[in-house]
Amino acid sequence: DQQVKQNSPSLSVQEGRISILNCDYTNSMFDYFLWYKKYPAEGPTFLISISSIKDKNEDGRFTVFLNKSAKHLSLHIVPSQPGDSAVYFCAASGSGGSNYKLTFGKGTLLTVNP
Amino acid sequence: GAGVSQSPSNKVTEKGKDVELRCDPISGHTALYWYRQSLGQGLEFLIYFQGNSAPDKSGLPSDRFSAERTGGSVSTLTIQRTQQEDSAVYLCASSPFGGVGTDTQYFGPGTRLTVL
Repeated sequence: DQQVKQNSPSLSVQEGRISILNCDYTNSMFDYFLWYKKYPAEGPTFLISISSIKDKNEDGRFTVFLNKSAKHLSLHIVPSQPGDSAVYFCAASGSGGSNYKLTFGKGTLLTVNP
Repeated sequence: GAGVSQSPSNKVTEKGKDVELRCDPISGHTALYWYRQSLGQGLEFLIYFQGNSAPDKSGLPSDRFSAERTGGSVSTLTIQRTQQEDSAVYLCASSPFGGVGTDTQYFGPGTRLTVL
């Protein structure tokens, strides 16, 4: 039972345009959400996060939006750059005693074309 | 500063053999995590160490898997009698404090395990 779903395995955008990566979750106990970025042969690196008490968090070119009622979050990258080409993982953690556990989606491969 | 390191980077073994995977966390980080990523899947939580507390082993898929963390630093993940379904990338992460999801986890490059 996948609790965090990234339904698009891949996404291709032109340099300079907006990239929108989507993520859905099913567990209503999740209260903290993260995006990680992964280049080949490297470990995932933390990109941006959002708490469930917010609906938007922005960091430079990256913005994460959270819609709790829809159990949906998205990552916007504006403008997209070729160096953004990577696999993006959505992850979530929940309240309670084991909230250090991250539950990950399967990832979306973003390709930004020059 | 140095990040999380893992060794070996690649390991090929025969079914039924035991393997040991090593993780060196970021110095000073109290929490250490193991995840694995099977082909086409997301990262799956395996085990969590935090300071001197008993580890959370709830993610270990079978009793063939075990892990230890010596001296609050280096960790070893051991898989006994490996099976082909154990083939995956095993990722280690560490975080400064642990205990909460807001504590950023820093990942190593992973060990790619192939069981023939």
